[in-house]
Amino acid sequence: DGGITQSPKYLFRKEGQNVTLSCEQNLNHDAMYWYRQDPGQGLRLIYYSQIVNDFQKGDIAEGYSVSREKKESFPLTVTSAQKNPTAFYLCASSISSYSSYNEQFFGPGTRLTVL
Amino acid sequence: GESVGLHLPTLSVQEGDNSIINCAYSNSASDYFIWYKQESGKGPQFIIDIRSNMDKRQGQRVTVLLNKTVKHLSLQIAATQPGDSAVYFCAENIGDSNYQLIWGAGTKLIIKP
Repeated sequence: DGGITQSPKYLFRKEGQNVTLSCEQNLNHDAMYWYRQDPGQGLRLIYYSQIVNDFQKGDIAEGYSVSREKKESFPLTVTSAQKNPTAFYLCASSISSYSSYNEQFFGPGTRLTVL
Repeated sequence: GESVGLHLPTLSVQEGDNSIINCAYSNSASDYFIWYKQESGKGPQFIIDIRSNMDKRQGQRVTVLLNKTVKHLSLQIAATQPGDSAVYFCAENIGDSNYQLIWGAGTKLIIKP
């Protein structure tokens, strides 16, 4: 059963703490992405990775960090430098980002709440 | 900024009627478009896609129309059902070196019984 998993589904964090969101895929996709979604809003790209050991900043990378040590894993760390971290975080993957026909497959999301 | 936008943030449709969700894009270099459906609290799901060399593509109860002359994309849902209630996003691939998807703001579809 192939797909993308994100954990946990709900996450609570105290202000000033770093927290890491997990994203795993078994689709053998090269490219992976992290998006942030605020209530009633669209998706904004945080970071993306086109290949293992490589990643690029998206539109709103400040206060976030990522790593891509394995093809199947792309964890996102929300640091204390992120001023407004409460949001719904979505991870996605695609076969390759070096293609125009780049359908992205999404995980179920993690809802982060800062207390 | 984003080059994809939607004409209506909320659309209410009677159950059984057809729904039409619209999307405008501004980049003439865009060569691939996707419609996604997002139910509350879930990740977006792929509905249908279309390449720029096509005008129309049909799936199960859904049709996507592409008008490159006016840079307009629409999603038609036939015989709308309660399960169609969701937010619908269009996304475009502008074909640059990163091949990133540019996302629209979304349209919330409400089904009236």
